[in-house]
Amino acid sequence: DAKTTQPNSMESNEEEPVHLPCNHSTISGTDYIHWYRQLPSQGPEYVIHGLTSNVNNRMASLAIAEDRKSSTLILHRATLRDAAVYYCIRGGGYQKVTFGIGTKLQVIP
Amino acid sequence: GAGVSQTPSNKVTEKGKYVELRCDPISGHTALYWYRQSLGQGPEFLIYFQGTGAADDSGLPNDRFFAVRPEGSVSTLKIQRTERGDSAVYLCASSLGDRGYNEQFFGPGTRLTVL
Repeated sequence: DAKTTQPNSMESNEEEPVHLPCNHSTISGTDYIHWYRQLPSQGPEYVIHGLTSNVNNRMASLAIAEDRKSSTLILHRATLRDAAVYYCIRGGGYQKVTFGIGTKLQVIP
Repeated sequence: GAGVSQTPSNKVTEKGKYVELRCDPISGHTALYWYRQSLGQGPEFLIYFQGTGAADDSGLPNDRFFAVRPEGSVSTLKIQRTERGDSAVYLCASSLGDRGYNEQFFGPGTRLTVL
């Protein structure tokens, strides 16, 4: 039970924005939404997290729906280095985290 | 600064043998997690430590798997009587605390192959 739902794969052209969706319809009021990405042969890498408000950092932006049942990770200009598997997870900390299979992002030069 | 390190990076063993996988978390991180990742799948939670104690070991698949963190820093995942199905990448992560907003920092993983 991954508790989040993501598309298996997405494609983007290089230097174009990418919007990666995630559904978490059963999220509780205290669950944070975290995004990680995993490049081939590496461990996952933290990207961004949020609770209710939209968040921005140097890597990406996170847009959270008003009802918190979905969120979107936004990469403003995709580069070849952004090709990875992106995981959306809910919870974290002392709560057991469940990763699904994530979204495999392919960036086309 | 130094990130999470895991040793060995690769481990090949024979069915029935005992293996130990080591994780060195980021200094000062009180929370430590172990995950297992099979090909094409996301990481699967195994166990979580807060300090020296295992706060949640519900992900350990059976009693052949055991993990320790005796001094609240380095952790060792131990697998007895290995089976071919144990072959996977074992990931360790550490976190400054165990709040929902604390991000996890992952190591590069140990690839275990059981022949």
